[in-house]
Amino acid sequence: EVQLLESGGGLVQPGGSLRLSCAASGFTFSSFAMSWVRQAPGKGLEWVSAVSGSGGSTYYADSVKGRFSISRDNSKNTLYLQMNSLRAEDTAVYYCAKAPHIVATTAYFDFWGQGTLVTVSS
Amino acid sequence: QSVLTQPPSASGTPGQRVTISCSGSSSNLGTNTVNWYQQLPGTAPKLLIYSNNHRPSGVPDRFSGSKSGTSASLAISGLQSEDEADYYCAAWDDSLNGAVFGGGTQLTVL
Repeated sequence: EVQLLESGGGLVQPGGSLRLSCAASGFTFSSFAMSWVRQAPGKGLEWVSAVSGSGGSTYYADSVKGRFSISRDNSKNTLYLQMNSLRAEDTAVYYCAKAPHIVATTAYFDFWGQGTLVTVSS
Repeated sequence: QSVLTQPPSASGTPGQRVTISCSGSSSNLGTNTVNWYQQLPGTAPKLLIYSNNHRPSGVPDRFSGSKSGTSASLAISGLQSEDEADYYCAAWDDSLNGAVFGGGTQLTVL
């Protein structure tokens, strides 16, 4: 059974940093691309970033480019999102999502985690 | 404004057929396949339709998808109360080099 468990969310001040983790199980982690998708309170879904199965290719939404960094540790079956220079508008539930193939250039996510809440406020 | 355009709301009575539209451009729906997600209140999104018109295992055949040019639609037939949820379309955008979502459609079963 595929499981994705996000952690690392919390309250952080504007300008601060946070690292999210997504622990994966139930599938061969290195064979599949992964993404982060966020949802601000009461708003719709917004894709944030994606990484290929090998970790060699990464993609970012313009809204986070230069501030966020996606990475993965295939030996630990874990996906990460390093978030720096956080802003109030980054406040959202962050979901990790699995793609059904190794290539990250996709909006096809077959499994999602339950999400972790990031609140950016002073 | 979302790159993909969906109506903010839709509604229907039990047993009825409803459709939700998703409009894009040449760089997303015109080039790449569309996927649909269902988000029940208070839960994570769930894949509903992938690659335009394919249903994952476990999704009832009441749900169907189609795409033509730069537009796509999700149809739900035999509407049930448990279908009340938010629905999102999504596609890869070659110009933005990223995935894009529609703004979401809140479906109400009257």
